[in-house]
Amino acid sequence: GDSVTQMEGPVTLSEEAFLTINCTYTATGYPSLFWYVQYPGEGLQLLLKATKADDKGSNKGFEATYRKETTSFHLEKGSVQVSDSAVYFCALSDGQGAQKLVFGQGTRLTINP
Amino acid sequence: DVKVTQSSRYLVKRTGEKVFLECVQDMDHENMFWYRQDPGLGLRLIYFSYDVKMKEKGDIPEGYSVSREKKERFSLILESASTNQTSMYLCASSADRGTRNTQYFGPGTRLTVL
Repeated sequence: GDSVTQMEGPVTLSEEAFLTINCTYTATGYPSLFWYVQYPGEGLQLLLKATKADDKGSNKGFEATYRKETTSFHLEKGSVQVSDSAVYFCALSDGQGAQKLVFGQGTRLTINP
Repeated sequence: DVKVTQSSRYLVKRTGEKVFLECVQDMDHENMFWYRQDPGLGLRLIYFSYDVKMKEKGDIPEGYSVSREKKERFSLILESASTNQTSMYLCASSADRGTRNTQYFGPGTRLTVL
């Protein structure tokens, strides 16, 4: 079945550092790809998404590009802030029916001032 | 504004009790989902529903059932709670059109089974 693998955490960075969180996927069809973020004590929020190959999703300074040839959707941000501390989940949707999501295991990110 | 609410943020139950977790969405969404979140495992789909009175098993349905009598409400039922069901439970909903592949999540219910 479809699956998503994220780089293991936790990840700790200093403020203004460059961030990359790796995500690769396995899917039989042409999935849509997502990054969700979970701030402490809250549910998940959609951060960005891409629905076809070579699409770039972006939001709040974060970016990710749908790379079909490497089956990847890595999350990047050029300069992180303390407020970016959260758990980040990569996910895919197979585009069928109710469009269930398959999630990676999550990466906890901590940004120190 | 999009809103998914869950009946409790924290719940403590005893082994063998019947447990109801309620989820309500105000966006007129067709699809609703129940996940459990465990450290190192991400979110795993328990059940989902694509219409009133319709339900489909997800990846880990054992020990759970669901009910969807009204479009806006989706209930998760633990018939006889066990300690291995201690977890964070997240509800989500999505539309069948427009932003149909975007799921909106509630704040979660942290369930402890003693």
